[in-house]
Amino acid sequence: GAVVSQHPSRVICKSGTSVKIECRSLDFQATTMFWYRQFPKQSLMLMATSNEGSKATYEQGVEKDKFLINHASLTLSTLTVTSAHPEDSSFYICSASPLLAEITDTQYFGPGTRLTVL
Amino acid sequence: AQTVTQSQPEMSVQEAETVTLSCTYDTSESNYYLFWYKQPPSRQMILVIRQEAYKQQNATENRFSVNFQKAAKSFSLKISDSQLGDTAMYFCAFTHFGNEKLTFGTGTRLTIIP
Repeated sequence: GAVVSQHPSRVICKSGTSVKIECRSLDFQATTMFWYRQFPKQSLMLMATSNEGSKATYEQGVEKDKFLINHASLTLSTLTVTSAHPEDSSFYICSASPLLAEITDTQYFGPGTRLTVL
Repeated sequence: AQTVTQSQPEMSVQEAETVTLSCTYDTSESNYYLFWYKQPPSRQMILVIRQEAYKQQNATENRFSVNFQKAAKSFSLKISDSQLGDTAMYFCAFTHFGNEKLTFGTGTRLTIIP
């Protein structure tokens, strides 16, 4: 149980284009989903927290107009990198926190998306 | 602000041996959760073990167990009978009750040597 999927797993795009990444909780409903960015050999950096039906909360220094987050349902959140540039190339990971009381406050992670902007 | 410290950037151990990864944290809260996550070369983050701060009993999951010392704010992970598949980056993480956000340590890269 507690499986989170992410799509696509890998994407290469040209500079200036937009890329959408989907995060789905497959076997549970998620109160909250999170988006992280991970640079090579580093820990995860939280970008934003999203709750279904409300606006995402962005961490300091993260451009909300560049990284658009939509949390359409209790099982789906999307991250759109708008007008991507080479410096946006990174590994993006989502996670979801289940509604279930016995495992509340626990995040389950998707497999990640490697974005390469040429 | 809470912090999580993992003082061992890299460790290696022979297969079948036992290894302990250290983690300390800092918080003024009394209700919180602690986690160990594993990130193998595939980069999929996998939950290894979870500990509620109000529970005195140390959490265990098969070959994985923790030594939770609340007064010392220490949360070490012990891996018994280590296997090649345990080779991964291990992250210690912390969240306050009801806060949702995770604070991660910098990670320990563990290599199991055949």
